[in-house]
Amino acid sequence: EVQLVQSGAEVKKPGESLKISCKGSGYSFTSYWIAWVRQMPGKGLEWMGIIYPGDSDTRYSPSFQGQVTISADKSNSTAYLQWSSLKASDTAMYFCARPRGVGANDAFDIWGQGIMVTVSS
Amino acid sequence: QLVLTQSPSASASLGASVKLTCTLSSGHSSYAIAWHQQQPEKGPRYLMKLNSDGSHSKGDGIPDRFSGSSSGAERYLTISSLQSEDEADYYCQTWGTGLQGVFGGGTKLTVL
Repeated sequence: EVQLVQSGAEVKKPGESLKISCKGSGYSFTSYWIAWVRQMPGKGLEWMGIIYPGDSDTRYSPSFQGQVTISADKSNSTAYLQWSSLKASDTAMYFCARPRGVGANDAFDIWGQGIMVTVSS
Repeated sequence: QLVLTQSPSASASLGASVKLTCTLSSGHSSYAIAWHQQQPEKGPRYLMKLNSDGSHSKGDGIPDRFSGSSSGAERYLTISSLQSEDEADYYCQTWGTGLQGVFGGGTKLTVL
C-alpha cells in the first residue's frame, strides 16, 4: 500500500526551531515529488513547496520562500519541513502529499494524515 | 496569475444532487484540476483528476455518485444521491509552470 506517514503533533514556543517529517512507503520514494501543504485553523489549503527526493530539487511558493526549508533523506524515504525560528502564526496543520505521476505537475492522490503544529508562549 | 475560484458554501438536501464549481483564471482554461474532499477533522482525500475535455480519473474507492465535467474555464464536481457523509469541504487544485501548485479557497457543502 502506498502511504505517507507523518510524525506526531508538536507544541513549541515562539523562536524555537522545528523539523517535522513525512515517510513514504509502498513506492519508489526517489521517483516521485513530495509537496507540503499548510492549513491554518478554520482556513483552506495552501501549497507551500515541493521536493524531488531523487536529486533534492526543491521549489517554494513565493509566500513561503525563506520562511521554511524543505528537504529529503533518500536513505530513509523521508521528507522534512523545518523552521529555524517559529512564530505564533505558524500554528497550523501541515500535510504532505504526493502527485499521481512522476512529474510535479499533477493531482495529489496520496496524502499524509497531517501534523498539528502549535506555537504558543 | 494562476488562480482557482470556488464559492465559499453550497447546500443541498439528503438524496438530492449538487454541482460544485471551480473556475480557472483567465488564460488558463485548458488546465486540468483535481478535486479533493476534506471531511470534518480529517485530512484531504483525493476524489479525481479532471481534464479540460471533461475526462476524469477517480481515486480508488470513490463512489460512482461523484463525477466531474468541464466547460471552458469551469470545472465541476457533481455529487448525486447526497449522503450525510458527503458534508465536507471540497477543494480544487491545479499546477502551473515553474512547478508551482495552487488550491482554490474551498467550498463548504452542507447536506440538509
